[in-house]
Amino acid sequence: QVTLRESGPALVKPTQTLTLTCTFSGFSLTTFGICVTWIRQPPGRALEWLARIDWDDDKYYSTSLKTRLTISKDTSKNQVVLTMTNMDPADTATYYCARIMHVDPSKFDPWGQGTLVTVSS
Amino acid sequence: QSVLTQPPSASGTPGQRVTISCSGSRSNIGGNNVNWYQQFPGTSPKLLIYSDKYRPSGVSERFSGSKSATSASLVISGLQSEDESDYYCAAWDDNLENVIFGGGTKLTVL
Repeated sequence: QVTLRESGPALVKPTQTLTLTCTFSGFSLTTFGICVTWIRQPPGRALEWLARIDWDDDKYYSTSLKTRLTISKDTSKNQVVLTMTNMDPADTATYYCARIMHVDPSKFDPWGQGTLVTVSS
Repeated sequence: QSVLTQPPSASGTPGQRVTISCSGSRSNIGGNNVNWYQQFPGTSPKLLIYSDKYRPSGVSERFSGSKSATSASLVISGLQSEDESDYYCAAWDDNLENVIFGGGTKLTVL
């Protein structure tokens, strides 16, 4: 059974750096074609893709956020970490991680349960 | 503003057929697979249709997908109250080298 779970702080202050961890099971990020991605959703709004890391350590970032994002993996721990710098109240959202297959980079299955991050002083 | 355009809302009565559209361009829908997601309030999205028209195991046959040129559609047949949810389309964009989502469609079963 494939599962993913997001973890991180529920509250961050403006200008701080957010660090989120996606811990997964049921697959390996060393397997050819396997990727993990991050997506967020502000309250009441649409989904927004953030970043992706591939089995071969290739990385892709949202064009609008790439200067603030860093994605990395620890295959020994089955974890993917996303950091976002200079947090702003507009970054308040539920952050999801999901597994994807390289053949189809927008096929996210399954998703984690999500973690709500609020940016406020 | 989303690069993929969806109607913000759709509705139908039980038993009806409802179509949700997703409009893009050659750099996204026109050249890449479209995937659809269903999201109930307070829950994470779930893959509903992949590669334009295929249903994952466990998804009802009442859901179907199609694509033509730079537009895709999700069709829900035999509408049921349990279908009331938000629906999102997604595709890779070759120019942006990003995944892009539609703005989402809220389906109401009257």
